[in-house]
Amino acid sequence: KQEVTQIPAALSVPEGENLVLNCSFTDSAIYNLQWFRQDPGKGLTSLLLIQSSQREQTSGRLNASLDKSSGRSTLYIAASQPGDSATYLCAVRGGGYNKLIFGAGTRLAVHP
Amino acid sequence: DAGVIQSPRHEVTEMGQEVTLRCKLISGHNSLFWYRQTMMRGLELLIYFNNNVPIDDSGMPEDRFSAKMPNASFSTLKIQPSEPRDSAVYFCASSPGRGGSSYNEQFFGPGTRLTVL
Repeated sequence: KQEVTQIPAALSVPEGENLVLNCSFTDSAIYNLQWFRQDPGKGLTSLLLIQSSQREQTSGRLNASLDKSSGRSTLYIAASQPGDSATYLCAVRGGGYNKLIFGAGTRLAVHP
Repeated sequence: DAGVIQSPRHEVTEMGQEVTLRCKLISGHNSLFWYRQTMMRGLELLIYFNNNVPIDDSGMPEDRFSAKMPNASFSTLKIQPSEPRDSAVYFCASSPGRGGSSYNEQFFGPGTRLTVL
C-alpha cells in the first residue's frame, strides 16, 4: 500500500531564505508526482507535475525534483516571500486506476 | 474558464438530514474525483468517474454515501443520513483526459465545508 510522508510537518523561516520541502513514498511504481499548495480555507492549487520519466520541473521560483528509485521528491522554493505561506502537499499517482495518494502536508510560514 | 465550481461552500446540518454537494467540471474535462479532507485522515479519494462512469468507488466510506454524474459536466455527492463524523471539507477535482493517463493533472474546486451537528 502506497504511503506518502512529508517532512517537516511545519516550517517557519524569515523572508528571503531558500528552502526545501521533502516528500517520500513507499512504492516507487508511480506514474507521476504532483505538488500542490493549499491556503487556509481554500482548495488546492497545482504547482508542479513531474512525470515518472522526468527528474525535475521548474516554475518561477519553484523547482521540484523526483528520484523515483529512492522514493523521494523535493520542492525547492527560492527567495521565499510572505505570500508563499501556505500548506504544501505532495501526491503520487500510481497503480490501479491511478489514484492520487496525498501526504499530510508541510505548513510553511514565511515571516517578514 | 471559471475552474471547478462547487456548491454550497458551507453547509451546516443536523444529524440524520440528507446532504447534497454539487460540482461542475472544467469545460472539456472528462474525469471527476471526489475527495474528503479531515485533520485526522488528510485528503482521501472517495470516488472517481471517467466519462460519467464510476471507475473506482473503493474510498466511499459506507452506503450512506452515493455519487452520480447525470451529465458530462456535473456531479453530486449525497450523504443520507448524515452523521457528525461526516464533518469535513469535501473537494471535487477534474482532469482533462482519462484519469488513468499519467499526463493528466487534477484541478481542484474550492471545497464544501460540511458540519453535521
